[in-house]
Amino acid sequence: DADVTQTPRNRITKTGKRIMLECSQTKGHDRMYWYRQDPGLGLRLIYYSFDVKDINKGEISDGYSVSRQAQAKFSLSLESAIPNQTALYFCATSDRRAQETQYFGPGTRLLVL
Amino acid sequence: RKEVEQDPGPFNVPEGATVAFNCTYSNSASQSFFWYRQDCRKEPKLLMSVYSSGNEDGRFTAQLNRASQYISLLIRDSKLSDSATYLCVVDTGGFKTIFGAGTRLFVKA
Repeated sequence: DADVTQTPRNRITKTGKRIMLECSQTKGHDRMYWYRQDPGLGLRLIYYSFDVKDINKGEISDGYSVSRQAQAKFSLSLESAIPNQTALYFCATSDRRAQETQYFGPGTRLLVL
Repeated sequence: RKEVEQDPGPFNVPEGATVAFNCTYSNSASQSFFWYRQDCRKEPKLLMSVYSSGNEDGRFTAQLNRASQYISLLIRDSKLSDSATYLCVVDTGGFKTIFGAGTRLFVKA
């Protein structure tokens, strides 16, 4: 079984809709991250969380919110989706004792029409 | 200027060739460096960390040049399976990890 899972894997939605992307991990890591990837831009950090009570904005948090429901779960919400949020979204985890090596989920492809 | 810059490629090389990628970073206080590999439509995976003294893992060698603020990845005896995008990753400290946009490599038979 995968250590980091994301649901859904693919999603098509319409402008203005609310959508939630979910991430779960079985690695026991305390740190979790949400990134988006766009062609030519690399991975950009949206939000990160170092434990259940710690949530931090990343480089591009506008238009997104997150919830850390438990150590193993970290959800990303788009309150009102817009077309330029069309991207590949990755969740990642890391262990603070391991030089910040990050382990990624398989990604969610989101298309906002 | 981007904080981490890579030549996007693509690099097209024959099997058995040696190929090298460079990556430059702008923050001189950067502390940790990595190369990740990403296959098409898949998640990035750690290929190797980059240590100050340089390090080697089989056919892969990573080097760090702090004075010139760049890291490199050398792949010897390229295999078809090495075809992927290689991401340069820099941890600037203060919980800030920056990913480069990646360099695409195609190894052909």
